[in-house]
Amino acid sequence: AQTVTQSQPEMSVQEAETVTLSCTYDTSESNYYLFWYKQPPSRQMILVIRQEAYKQQNATENRFSVNFQKAAKSFSLKISDSQLGDTAMYFCAFMTGNTDKLIFGTGTRLQVFP
Amino acid sequence: EAQVTQNPRYLITVTGKKLTVTCSQNMNHEYMSWYRQDPGLGLRQIYYSMNVEVTDKGDVPEGYKVSRKEKRNFPLILESPSPNQTSLYFCASHELGASEAFFGQGTRLTVV
Repeated sequence: AQTVTQSQPEMSVQEAETVTLSCTYDTSESNYYLFWYKQPPSRQMILVIRQEAYKQQNATENRFSVNFQKAAKSFSLKISDSQLGDTAMYFCAFMTGNTDKLIFGTGTRLQVFP
Repeated sequence: EAQVTQNPRYLITVTGKKLTVTCSQNMNHEYMSWYRQDPGLGLRQIYYSMNVEVTDKGDVPEGYKVSRKEKRNFPLILESPSPNQTSLYFCASHELGASEAFFGQGTRLTVV
C-alpha cells in the first residue's frame, strides 16, 4: 500500500528562523509526484511546492525548498525566514502517474511566533 | 479565473436528512475527487471520477454517492447522513497525468 507519513504533529518556530518539516512515503511506483500543501485557518488548500520523482534537482519556491531523497523515500520541506503568515497546517502528499490519486499525510501544524 | 467551487461552505443537518454538496470546476479537468478531512487523519479520498459517467470508490466511500453527468460538475450526495460523517469536505480537480490538483474552498458539515 502507498502511504505518506508525517511524524511531527506540531512544530513551532520563531519569526525569521528556519524550520524543516519531515515527510516520508512508501511506494513501489517509479513515476510519481510529491507535494506540500499549506492550509491556513481559512481552510483553503494552497500548493506550496511540488517535485517530480524523475528530477534529481530539489524544487525551490522563494523561501520554500525541499530535500528530496528518493532512495530514502524522504521529502522534507524547509521554510527559511519564517513569517507569521506561514502559520498553518502543512500536508505532504503523493500522486502516482498511474492512478492520479492524491495520498495525504496526517499533517503538521506549524506555529510561527513573533 | 481558474477555480473549483463548492457549495455550501457550512452546513448543519440532522441525521437521516438527505443532502448534496455541489462541486464545479471551470478548467475542463478530467479528474475530479472528493476528500474528507478529519483531525489526525489528514485528507482521505471518498470517491473519484476520471471522466463523464466514470466514477469509482476511494478509500472511505461508505455512506456517500457521487455522479458525473457533466464534465464540470461532481456533486457529493449523502442519502442518510449520520453523525460520523461530520467532517470537512473538499472537492478537487486536475488534468489526467498532470501533477497539480486544484481544491475547492471546503464544506464544513455537521450532522446532529
